[in-house]
Amino acid sequence: DQQVKQNSPSLSVQEGRISILNCDYTNSMFDYFLWYKKYPAEGPTFLISISSIKDKNEDGRFTVFLNKSAKHLSLHIVPSQPGDSAVYFCAGISGGSYIPTFGRGTSLIVHP
Amino acid sequence: KAGVTQTPRYLIKTRGQQVTLSCSPISGHRSVSWYQQTPGQGLQFLFEYFSETQRNKGNFPGRFSGRQFSNSRSEMNVSTLELGDSALYLCASSLEGGKLEKLFFGSGTQLSVL
Repeated sequence: DQQVKQNSPSLSVQEGRISILNCDYTNSMFDYFLWYKKYPAEGPTFLISISSIKDKNEDGRFTVFLNKSAKHLSLHIVPSQPGDSAVYFCAGISGGSYIPTFGRGTSLIVHP
Repeated sequence: KAGVTQTPRYLIKTRGQQVTLSCSPISGHRSVSWYQQTPGQGLQFLFEYFSETQRNKGNFPGRFSGRQFSNSRSEMNVSTLELGDSALYLCASSLEGGKLEKLFFGSGTQLSVL
C-alpha cells in the first residue's frame, strides 16, 4: 500500500519555464512533508519542507504547495534550470513518527 | 565537515552469499537510517539506529539486519542474498533523528546480486 504516490515517473521542461512536480498521499496522519532531490551517483539532498498547518512554503526558486483536503502537494520550480535535472522524491511524516515515507520519485529533465 | 561516507561504492555478489555494508555518519550525528532504492519502488525504509539501539524497523525480512557502534558508525548485513536484493542501499544520518531534522544521505552502495 503506497502511502505517498508520485504518479509521474518523468517530466520534461524547457529551461526558464515552470516545473510542477506532483505528489499525492493517503495517510491522513501525515503532518509534515519534505522534498528531496537526487542526482545520479549521489545521495538525495534535502530541498524544502512544509508543515500541515501551512499551505505554502517558499525558498528561492522552489515553492511547495499543500492541499490537505485533496491530500495533494506540489513542488514548483521557477524558473527551471538545466542543473535542476534530477530525481525528486516527495515524503510524508506522520504525527507520532519521525521516519519519512518516500514516494517512488519523479525524474525531471530540464532542456536548455 | 565530512559528509556521510558509505563503503564500498559497488558490490557484486552471487545468490546465497551474504554482504556487509558500512556507513560513517556526519561527526556528531547519532541517528543512522538505511534505505533501499530500486527503480520500481523508490526509497524504502529499512531501519534506524540511535545510540547503538535499533529504534525503528521497516517491512523487510529478517535477512536484513544492522547494528550501530559506539562511535555511531553503522553496518548493514544482508544474508542469503536473492536476485531481488539488487539495489542501491543508502545510509542517512541526522543529529537525533528528530522529525524536523534534515536527513543527510551518503552516495550509497550499489549492490548487484547475480
